[in-house]
Amino acid sequence: AQSVTQLDSQVPVFEEAPVELRCNYSSSVSVYLFWYVQYPNQGLQLLLKYLSGSTLVESINGFEAEFNKSQTSFHLRKPSVHISDTAEYFCAVSEANAGGTSYGKLTFGQGTILTVHP
Amino acid sequence: NAGVTQTPKFQVLKTGQSMTLQCAQDMNHEYMSWYRQDPGMGLRLIHYSVGAGITDQGEVPNGYNVSRSTTEDFPLRLLSAAPSQTSVYFCASRRQGARGAFFGQGTRLTVV
Repeated sequence: AQSVTQLDSQVPVFEEAPVELRCNYSSSVSVYLFWYVQYPNQGLQLLLKYLSGSTLVESINGFEAEFNKSQTSFHLRKPSVHISDTAEYFCAVSEANAGGTSYGKLTFGQGTILTVHP
Repeated sequence: NAGVTQTPKFQVLKTGQSMTLQCAQDMNHEYMSWYRQDPGMGLRLIHYSVGAGITDQGEVPNGYNVSRSTTEDFPLRLLSAAPSQTSVYFCASRRQGARGAFFGQGTRLTVV
């Protein structure tokens, strides 16, 4: 079984400031890692994912996350945030190469509300 | 391209009433699932299905039933609604072999 801990429930920042949303996970097996974003009154959208290869992954809107296996972390960062980045962000894991009935199940963290102030 | 469609978007029920939350996807995805989202708890898996005719329980299945008679549809049934089921419900789907799921827009359910 996997578990995910997002260390901050709320992160307020000013526009153009850098931000880091922290995510730690625990698992006895290899995992895939995801960040989802939920804008107000909308569903969840996949922001970025780590499956294998380079430990640094990027999204199209300037976010990046680095997989750190030794620290079991997958923190999300952005060097300069915009008002439009205000949303709730969820870190999630799934078992890598899972088959059968365990295939594809996502375990989510508690969510971090990022509020960008002008 | 509709993706994952959930209906209704909002619903208010009285305790003891029953209802079905609808979820449909047009991407021919094998895998579908239902999550509930509660403040400070992230999303928790209720039930999931790896294909038509196959369903299984997730983390918080009590009080909910599902069926998967077609690849496209995965309805979630509340047989006797309770205030503890007040939540936002999300349906998700993914193609076998793909990573990362597509989510619907959510259904906000209030049980009074």
